[in-house]
Amino acid sequence: EVQLLESGGGLVQPGGSLRLSCAASGFTFSLNAMSWVRQAPGMGLEWVSGITASGGSTYYADSVKGRFTISRDNSKNTLSLQLSSLRAEDTAVYYCAKEGGTSGYYNYWGQGALVTVSS
Amino acid sequence: DIVLTQSPATLSVSPGDRVALSCRASQSVSSDLAWYQQKPGQAPRLLIYGAATRATGVPARFSGSGSGTEFTLTISSLQSEDFAVYYCQQYDSWPLFTFGPGTRVDI
Repeated sequence: EVQLLESGGGLVQPGGSLRLSCAASGFTFSLNAMSWVRQAPGMGLEWVSGITASGGSTYYADSVKGRFTISRDNSKNTLSLQLSSLRAEDTAVYYCAKEGGTSGYYNYWGQGALVTVSS
Repeated sequence: DIVLTQSPATLSVSPGDRVALSCRASQSVSSDLAWYQQKPGQAPRLLIYGAATRATGVPARFSGSGSGTEFTLTISSLQSEDFAVYYCQQYDSWPLFTFGPGTRVDI
């Protein structure tokens, strides 16, 4: 059974930093591209960042470019997102998502980690 | 960037109704379009990918159609568990994916 389990969410002050992790199991992690998708309270879904299966290439939405860093450790089946210079508008539930095959749709999602940016 | 527009924003229906949700893309995405269902407090669930292929375990009452810029998700006979928000997503402009704003299906 595929499982994605996020951790590391919490309350952080504006300008602060936080690191999210996603522990993957039930599939060959090193063969799948992964992404982070977020959802602000009461709002829709926003793609944040993606990383190829090898970790050799990373991609970011303009809204987070230069502030967030995605990475993965294929030896530990873990996906990470380092969030820095956080703003109030970064408040959201952050989902870890597994891409289906070599396409770009997401066939599995984690339960989400809430990040609240507030003073 | 490719922009997705969904209509209507909210749909009020009754169990047993046939429902058609629309997703339009600002430019062609070929058949690189997926549909997701999200219930309150839950993560999204993949329903359709490749515009028309049902994901594993998705009931046959859900079907997808379209290509290019116009897409439709149809629920042939709405069940009580289908009341949720539905999102479309394009993945043609890999790796810069975008989601539509969603359609809420209410009782």
